Amino acid sequence: DGGITQSPKYLFRKEGQNVTLSCEQNLNHDAMYWYRQDPGQGLRLIYYSQIVNDFQKGDIAEGYSVSREKKESFPLTVTSAQKNPTAFYLCASSVKDGAYEQYFGPGTRLTVT
Amino acid sequence: GENVEQHPSTLSVQEGDSAVIKCTYSDSASNYFPWYKQELGKRPQLIIDIRSNVGEKKDQRIAVTLNKTAKHFSLHITETQPEDSAVYFCAVAPYGGSQGNLIFGKGTKLSVKP
Repeated sequence: DGGITQSPKYLFRKEGQNVTLSCEQNLNHDAMYWYRQDPGQGLRLIYYSQIVNDFQKGDIAEGYSVSREKKESFPLTVTSAQKNPTAFYLCASSVKDGAYEQYFGPGTRLTVT
Repeated sequence: GENVEQHPSTLSVQEGDSAVIKCTYSDSASNYFPWYKQELGKRPQLIIDIRSNVGEKKDQRIAVTLNKTAKHFSLHITETQPEDSAVYFCAVAPYGGSQGNLIFGKGTKLSVKP
């Protein structure tokens, strides 16, 4: 299960606060992804990055921001503008973007009250 | 954009029976079709994948079939065991894999009863 890590496993925040979720990989993968998982909704793409210093919005990017300053790191910030931030967040990476296997991290469960 | 539909959303089988999950997609240029398994509380993991130049692929008790004309692909699990109980997600790489991401189905919760 090594190779891609997320921290923390559980995160609790008050409404109105920004929070940053960590994602690190040591697989030397170019591409990294953030997904949100809600019951019955599958995996919905928030942002993805094909290469360092570049990233693209996914289907549900509103209220989220990312950075990709290093190849191994792709942190996700959940801002106060995200209307319903409580969810399970999964980070993934792949050798390149597109038609390649994605390796997932263990996830972070964020609860905002 | 690409649309991926996955059915059924829940599936219950007796141990030893077969299970079939089907996904349909809309973009005829899609060329990569993986299946992921997510056990309760764990991360999704790839169990099998197929590319558009192949019609069927098998790995022990699991197989994936692809019908490019009809734009659907299916996961087949034979001789199911309780440890096969999980949520299964299909995915598609749209636009010939050039878009950069995978589009996932909403998942099928498989329960295998002993």
